[in-house]
Amino acid sequence: KNEVEQSPQNLTAQEGEFITINCSYSVGISALHWLQQHPGGGIVSLFMLSSGKKKHGRLIATINIQEKHSSLHITASHPRDSAVYICAVTNTGNQFYFGTGTSLTVIP
Amino acid sequence: NAGVTQTPKFQVLKTGQSMTLQCAQDMNHNSMYWYRQDPGMGLRLIYYSASEGTTDKGEVPNGYNVSRLNKREFSLRLESAAPSQTSVYFCASTYRGRYGYTFGSGTRLTVV
Repeated sequence: KNEVEQSPQNLTAQEGEFITINCSYSVGISALHWLQQHPGGGIVSLFMLSSGKKKHGRLIATINIQEKHSSLHITASHPRDSAVYICAVTNTGNQFYFGTGTSLTVIP
Repeated sequence: NAGVTQTPKFQVLKTGQSMTLQCAQDMNHNSMYWYRQDPGMGLRLIYYSASEGTTDKGEVPNGYNVSRLNKREFSLRLESAAPSQTSVYFCASTYRGRYGYTFGSGTRLTVV
């Protein structure tokens, strides 16, 4: 049983498409995180949110606390967005629970 | 550059050898973490240190030891490496969980 579930596991899109990655969690959280990992690369924190919505450039993250659900949207996708996107949640003890990631490939 | 620095980036060990993975952060973060990442399993917590002087086991601590040497440094030691410890290891840190987390660039370890 995984406390954090992501969908889809794999996603291929054409350049310019609008992309949505979903995350559901089953534990009480203090915050939800979206992380990005390029092939062979390190992990970059994209968003940390506990309510509502955050936007950074072409990336938008939303969270619905009541439904225990978050979405990561990418507008006007580009090949450089190709990466693994990881959803994670932290509880009040600052312990992480990670999803297994969504592998995104954007084709030119 | 401010951030989390991990060394080494790559390492190959023979079964039974020991080694220490180093992690240092210069952001005055309180909490530090060691994770391993395996295909299809996501990141799993090995050990964490909520503050200087404290360490606690995570989900997969067997075969590992840690030392929080000071506020900046948190090392992970494999006393007798096993092939099952072949993985990518990430160190991360945060200031009390606020303002997000910062990850190191990872250490790719192969045990043969």
